[in-house]
Amino acid sequence: DAMVIQNPRYQVTQFGKPVTLSCSQTLNHNVMYWYQQKSSQAPKLLFHYYDKDFNNEADTPDNFQSRRPNTSFCFLDIRSPGLGDAAMYLCATSRLRTDGCGDFGPGTRLTVT
Amino acid sequence: AQSVTQPDIHITVSEGASLELRCNYSYGATPYLFWYVQSPGQGLQLLLKYFSGDTLVQGIKGFEAEFKRSQSSFNLRKPSVHWSDAAEYFCAVGASGTYKYIFGTGTRLKVLA
Repeated sequence: DAMVIQNPRYQVTQFGKPVTLSCSQTLNHNVMYWYQQKSSQAPKLLFHYYDKDFNNEADTPDNFQSRRPNTSFCFLDIRSPGLGDAAMYLCATSRLRTDGCGDFGPGTRLTVT
Repeated sequence: AQSVTQPDIHITVSEGASLELRCNYSYGATPYLFWYVQSPGQGLQLLLKYFSGDTLVQGIKGFEAEFKRSQSSFNLRKPSVHWSDAAEYFCAVGASGTYKYIFGTGTRLKVLA
């Protein structure tokens, strides 16, 4: 089945230790998103790619970076995680603007110790 | 800038009862509107979407929503709730011409047996 896959599902990292979260899709969608969702809050858009074009949200901290080496994969790099970065990180994809974020992955729950 | 408000943080209904979850948006033009459902620890699943045409849209799992421009609302409804509908529901708005989608703060639905 075509889907959005996130690895790992659970990630524990130490304060200040770089971490990378992975997202892959078999849908061949043009657009890939990264959202941060803290407990009991709405998902917050960090950035998205349209093909290779990177679109950063104005309030996304510089600590968060992303890479999209090809259509299928997108990575979220947190250069120096702080305790406040503990959250669920959701990857999503879409093909058309009218699709919205039609396909979400299951998320990676990041814990910072 | 577009925004979306979900006035009800928690809603409790009895199984078999009808359900209406409220969503109000702020946007100058006709927005793209979406409803998502999220089970605990999972990603979001798209229930339905509106971007033009018939203002009453049908979605998956027996849900429907009605776009009312005069009230800037896009309320989600279901005639008879099942225990498996207990989850968190998010309304989202997208600005036409962009891939940016903003989520409301969510409504947590509890279903009593």
